[in-house]
Amino acid sequence: ETGVTQSPTHLIKTRGQQVTLRCSSQSGHNTVSWYQQALGQGPQFIFQYYREEENGRGNFPPRFSGLQFPNYSSELNVNALELDDSALYLCASSLNPTSYNEQFFGPGTRLTVL
Amino acid sequence: KNEVEQSPQNLTAQEGEFITINCSYSVGISALHWLQQHPGGGIVSLFMLSSGKKKHGRLIATINIQEKHSSLHITASHPRDSAVYICAVNPTGNQFYFGTGTSLTVIP
Repeated sequence: ETGVTQSPTHLIKTRGQQVTLRCSSQSGHNTVSWYQQALGQGPQFIFQYYREEENGRGNFPPRFSGLQFPNYSSELNVNALELDDSALYLCASSLNPTSYNEQFFGPGTRLTVL
Repeated sequence: KNEVEQSPQNLTAQEGEFITINCSYSVGISALHWLQQHPGGGIVSLFMLSSGKKKHGRLIATINIQEKHSSLHITASHPRDSAVYICAVNPTGNQFYFGTGTSLTVIP
């Protein structure tokens, strides 16, 4: 059984560019959540996908969008990058969306926007 | 105001000491999670609680739903326990609020 994986591990972009981050869920998990963690802060919930549909969203603008594929892998897309988008982006998968299921976190992608 | 407050923000302990990290929250929740984050970013889920107390090895987590408070205890602390410990609460199935974390350093 493989855990949650994310790619790439590190990424440098310039302001205004677009970026796609990828997450592969743990086997058997149909729910994935994405989080943004700025330096020295706790993670902030971006959105959750369940069975290829968005299933909840935090306080992030529409330029943050996502996709979940039939194999339950997921992408986070950020358009028109801003300097404040520099952060660690974490994805976490779980068996289903209910709160009583443990989330398994990936190692994160560190995005730097110059 | 943050929905989840942790204390202390930073903690330094000698190896072998008993450690307590506190978490208070202001929203109704269905579950509370304690997470461990090592340098470099990887997060491990330690506990998920909705009531009472759980124990894994040297780690103990308790929650008081009425007082909206949880504690994470580490007995016989060890340098490998050095990490950031994050409290997160789950009001509904698809929303999580995280504390800013407690940075723990255990000195040999």
